[in-house]
Amino acid sequence: DAGVTQSPTHLIKTRGQHVTLRCSPISGHKSVSWYQQVLGQGPQFIFQYYEKEERGRGNFPDRFSARQFPNYSSELNVNALLLGDSALYLCASSFKPGLAGGRGTGELFFGEGSRLTVL
Amino acid sequence: KQEVTQIPAALSVPEGENLVLNCSFTDSAIYNLQWFRQDPGKGLTSLLLIQSSQREQTSGRLNASLDKSSGRSTLYIAASQPGDSATYLCAVSSGNNRLAFGKGNQVVVIP
Repeated sequence: DAGVTQSPTHLIKTRGQHVTLRCSPISGHKSVSWYQQVLGQGPQFIFQYYEKEERGRGNFPDRFSARQFPNYSSELNVNALLLGDSALYLCASSFKPGLAGGRGTGELFFGEGSRLTVL
Repeated sequence: KQEVTQIPAALSVPEGENLVLNCSFTDSAIYNLQWFRQDPGKGLTSLLLIQSSQREQTSGRLNASLDKSSGRSTLYIAASQPGDSATYLCAVSSGNNRLAFGKGNQVVVIP
């Protein structure tokens, strides 16, 4: 079975540009979350979507937006890129928020991430 | 706001020694706690998930304990191998599937 897939794996942008990152969850999972991981830090929560609705938003500016499609895949969009947006963007999937998924209740499964470099 | 701390930040051990990684969290009202492994530049691999009602979970050479009342979890890796070299991340969920992460324990196992 395919795990969480993310694209692109690496990309380079310049300040002021925008970027779209994509994520396909594990088959059967309906919830997708996005995290930002800056070098040397733990991942920080950005968004959570379930059944195409936003279920949570972290402390990120409005330049960050996301959506979930009917097939449960998701996009993360970042506008007006800043140097500080350079990070590994991770997508995680689960069956649904707070409840059963994988080996236990509420387990999240992560993709390999999209490495964004802003010059 | 949940704060997660992992100590030590980095450690090196000779092959064959047991690894002990510590995680502490400030709010004991957690739903579950998950340990992940991350190789350089890669995504997160789930190792163990402990529900708030559980005291420990085991998988092969890995054992994770949870003391919710004191806000602590410990990951034990028995008989470490060079392939265990990675960063280990502790993450706590408060029931809404949002994970609060520590900064990780960077482990090097010396052959």
